[in-house]
Amino acid sequence: DTEVTQTPKHLVMGMTNKKSLKCEQHMGHRAMYWYKQKAKKPPELMFVYSYEKLSINESVPSRFSPECPNSSLLNLHLHALQPEDSALYLCASSQDKAGYGYTFGSGTRLTVV
Amino acid sequence: AQSVTQPDIHITVSEGASLELRCNYSYGATPYLFWYVQSPGQGLQLLLKYFSGDTLVQGIKGFEAEFKRSQSSFNLRKPSVHWSDAAEYFCARANNLFFGTGTRLTVIP
Repeated sequence: DTEVTQTPKHLVMGMTNKKSLKCEQHMGHRAMYWYKQKAKKPPELMFVYSYEKLSINESVPSRFSPECPNSSLLNLHLHALQPEDSALYLCASSQDKAGYGYTFGSGTRLTVV
Repeated sequence: AQSVTQPDIHITVSEGASLELRCNYSYGATPYLFWYVQSPGQGLQLLLKYFSGDTLVQGIKGFEAEFKRSQSSFNLRKPSVHWSDAAEYFCARANNLFFGTGTRLTVIP
């Protein structure tokens, strides 16, 4: 298995809703990442997990809450989002933070209404 | 700060013409560098990567890139562009992948 699987592919949520994005990989990678990508912009790093521990939080608002239950799973819990949080959310994994073999999922397109 | 810069926001080339997309990096040590391509509404696809060794790197879809330490550059090249190459191209560097601002490629018939 050489893929990163993200679910759901599309999500529409209201500003008072709570939802979660899921990311899964079975390549034995020990670093996992969340990125946010707005239209016509590059992906922006949000969080990095290394060996299931949060190692980087790029000053992301607390309405985004990451979770790494095990080495294969990465979740992003969403609560009280704003319309400007609408974006493509990409998950990636790599063998380690140094960058050998990053693999990206196809993303979740989130719309906040 | 460690970063990568893509000076060209948008490039237009004719089908069959050669292509060079520029990427400059600022980093003390030799960085790990990558080129990714993203078609509209799609995820990111890795074209090639450079860690060390041979400074000319071959990638998929006929792309290559050359690492030049003296110029702090890692430019992407293709000798003959196809219409299907139209997309957004991102240069990136590790640790913890950080992306340049991207170059949008338009291919005209």
